[in-house]
Amino acid sequence: DAGVIQSPRHEVTEMGQEVTLRCKPISGHNSLFWYRQTMMRGLELLIYFNNNVPIDDSGMPEDRFSAKMPNASFSTLKIQPSEPRDSAVYFCASSFRMSYSGNTIYFGEGSWLTVV
Amino acid sequence: AQTVTQSQPEMSVQEAETVTLSCTYDTSESNYYLFWYKQPPSRQMILVIRQEAYKQQNATENRFSVNFQKAAKSFSLKISDSQLGDTAMYFCAFMRNTGNQFYFGTGTSLTVIP
Repeated sequence: DAGVIQSPRHEVTEMGQEVTLRCKPISGHNSLFWYRQTMMRGLELLIYFNNNVPIDDSGMPEDRFSAKMPNASFSTLKIQPSEPRDSAVYFCASSFRMSYSGNTIYFGEGSWLTVV
Repeated sequence: AQTVTQSQPEMSVQEAETVTLSCTYDTSESNYYLFWYKQPPSRQMILVIRQEAYKQQNATENRFSVNFQKAAKSFSLKISDSQLGDTAMYFCAFMRNTGNQFYFGTGTSLTVIP
């Protein structure tokens, strides 16, 4: 079975440019998460969707960040304009969540972003 | 709020030996899930083991087992017969039964020494 698929795997961009990260969750999963990982702050949850609807975006650092999930099989995380402090590994993860029980989340391989 | 604490930033173990990584958490919930994830140098986050809080039996996956102490809110990971491929960052994570958000610890960097 295909896991969570992220693209691009690596991106180097100049400050001020727009960056779009893409994610395809595991088929059948109904929850999707975007995490950011840095040495200083560890793993941070940026936003998560349930049935394509954003549930909690309190982790989105500022207005430069936006995320969408137009359908069950695709999500984007956009940074515009990008800044050097946005350099990090961005993970997408998905899970199948039932009403009153949790479930394991599965991570993609991450998108390594470097903003110079 | 839920918090997850991993008090050992770095650990090392000789190959073939056993090592235990510590994790404590704070919650007022009675039912929840606990996880250990492994992150090797490739940065891929890989599920190692999962424990449901309502289950008294400790979860086991091959060489990996947990010691779940619900009253003490402790969830340690034991790796037996350590292998070089076990070298990685290990993250403990908590998930509420009624929510969907994972709370991660800060990680323990484990090095297996040949």
